[in-house]
Amino acid sequence: GAVVSQHPSRVICKSGTSVKIECRSLDFQATTMFWYRQFPKQSLMLMATSNEGSKATYEQGVEKDKFLINHASLTLSTLTVTSAHPEDSSFYICSAREVGRQNYGYTFGSGTRLTVV
Amino acid sequence: AQTVTQSQPEMSVQEAETVTLSCTYDTSESNYYLFWYKQPPSRQMILVIRQEAYKQQNATENRFSVNFQKAAKSFSLKISDSQLGDTAMYFCAFMNHLDDKIIFGKGTRLHILP
Repeated sequence: GAVVSQHPSRVICKSGTSVKIECRSLDFQATTMFWYRQFPKQSLMLMATSNEGSKATYEQGVEKDKFLINHASLTLSTLTVTSAHPEDSSFYICSAREVGRQNYGYTFGSGTRLTVV
Repeated sequence: AQTVTQSQPEMSVQEAETVTLSCTYDTSESNYYLFWYKQPPSRQMILVIRQEAYKQQNATENRFSVNFQKAAKSFSLKISDSQLGDTAMYFCAFMNHLDDKIIFGKGTRLHILP
């Protein structure tokens, strides 16, 4: 089945630095990927839609300059948290839909736990 | 805007029992998809079952089935013969055919007791 690899699974960074999270579709092409944020014991909140070869579309309230998204190929999207602060600490999850199979649901990565100290 | 409501924050049932998780949604669209996702302690999101709004027949996947009531905008999940491995957070989700975004409910934490 479709597999989405997300890396790293855990990262600790210092306040003020930037951290990049990768989301790869391993065995399918994904023109669209989604980035979610999940706080402890809460639901997944959609942050942005990542489109291959074009600018990401951000949800209301999400700072596009803080959360930089790049979708340079059909199998890779990256989320860079810039100038991270402790309040950015969270669980970030990506998902991808296979071209032509979007109606079958999306495949999710295993998530990245970001801790900003 | 679409919304998804799960009114049961937490539930517990004995192993082998049947449990039903509730979900309601709100949309003005007629063409959409509904999903139930499972998130175990590993936090990996796993698709449990999906339902196309245009299909009247309720979806079934082994021990998992849904009761889809389109007019009432209700989409409940029934787990039969529950197993310890079913312990997880369950999210009801809605996908609009127009923008393909998946919107999640707040989730129901399900505990299967031995």
